[in-house]
Amino acid sequence: QQPVQSPQAVILREGEDAVINCSSSKALYSVHWYRQKHGEAPVFLMILLKGGEQKGHDKISASFNEKKQQSSLYLTASQLSYSGTYFCGTETNNNDMRFGAGTRLTVKP
Amino acid sequence: NAGVMQNPRHLVRRRGQEARLRCSPMKGHSHVYWYRQLPEEGLKFMVYLQKENIIDESGMPKERFSAEFPKEGPSILRIQQVVRGDSAAYFCASSRTQGGEAFFGQGTRLTVV
Repeated sequence: QQPVQSPQAVILREGEDAVINCSSSKALYSVHWYRQKHGEAPVFLMILLKGGEQKGHDKISASFNEKKQQSSLYLTASQLSYSGTYFCGTETNNNDMRFGAGTRLTVKP
Repeated sequence: NAGVMQNPRHLVRRRGQEARLRCSPMKGHSHVYWYRQLPEEGLKFMVYLQKENIIDESGMPKERFSAEFPKEGPSILRIQQVVRGDSAAYFCASSRTQGGEAFFGQGTRLTVV
């Protein structure tokens, strides 16, 4: 039931782009993306609902392919503040939200 | 509008004692999720509750662990007879609706000595 995230870790230089993928074997109602910095609580980034959609703010955007039960998070022109662990949370019609194992993103100067 | 409030932030218990973790969801939120997180690991689902009802507790150990979300007051995650392996950060999240944005509390870091 837990979604699968890839890659597990990625290291970037400031200004580079990254894509984080999330896939599920179950039919999804929604996909949530969060970022967690060390020792802190996960912070909500965005939610995508079934029906297939794309969202974004600033230089972080995401897409949700309902047919493939996949979502991707796009980070463009990365900044040092983007460093952290990114989690996708997937929700089925049963209302339970499961998280992937996370993708650790490190942005270096 | 206060965010999700969890208390205590840090809790130390001796083996065999009970731990009670509290979560007050955001105002107007009736959906609460509890997760456990070990250092450098992901968020492991434990239980999902709506007011007065447990919707899904498939991620919670059947023994020693229980959760409730009463009509009045915070949601409580209770761990009886704690063992060293229960040491972890426990996060709760709340949302207003199914599929709505879920917001996390700051977590309770439980240490069993």
